[in-house]
Amino acid sequence: NAGVMQNPRHLVRRRGQEARLRCSPMKGHSHVYWYRQLPEEGLKFMVYLQKENIIDESGMPKERFSAEFPKEGPSILRIQQVVRGDSAAYFCASSPRQENSYEQYFGPGTRLTVT
Amino acid sequence: QKEVEQDPGPLSVPEGAIVSLNCTYSNSAFQYFMWYRQYSRKGPELLMYTYSSGNKEDGRFTAQVDKSSKYISLFIRDSQPSDSATYLCAMTFKAAGNKLTFGGGTRVLVKP
Repeated sequence: NAGVMQNPRHLVRRRGQEARLRCSPMKGHSHVYWYRQLPEEGLKFMVYLQKENIIDESGMPKERFSAEFPKEGPSILRIQQVVRGDSAAYFCASSPRQENSYEQYFGPGTRLTVT
Repeated sequence: QKEVEQDPGPLSVPEGAIVSLNCTYSNSAFQYFMWYRQYSRKGPELLMYTYSSGNKEDGRFTAQVDKSSKYISLFIRDSQPSDSATYLCAMTFKAAGNKLTFGGGTRVLVKP
């Protein structure tokens, strides 16, 4: 009974490079969320996706960040032209399809370091 | 002012004591309340999930919600060293579209 899977677990990028973070939701879950946790801060919502649809991206920075959840394959969070301020832990969560289900289950996170 | 406030701690207790954690919030629309446990450099693990006001018990954990005071609590009975972690409260409401708003977390240390 695999939980939410994320890879890579650690990612190092130089300033200006691109970062791609992957998330596979729990079996039977069709809702995916991305959160960012900066050092010494709580988790901040970034984006909520269902298969092939972005439902809420109100927490995403307007530039350089994008997310997708294709029909097949994992959800991808993409950060273009990374800067030092992007260094953080990025967590993916998933929840079941049922209406009024607000429980979200988190993956182990991807720790992005920008040098 | 943050929407959800949580004392960062650390909260240090002896093994076997009751751990008492709480969060206050400002948005009266919040309806669904969750507590997560996060070990160092790991993902948050869902502990408790409650809807609206009242109490919920699960093993050594009890969650309480007081919507009139905008205050939620988590109690851990018979605490163990393995309970040492950061505890995060989170909350949402239907119109928020499943977006969770988190407190900053309270670090708990249970000493053997």
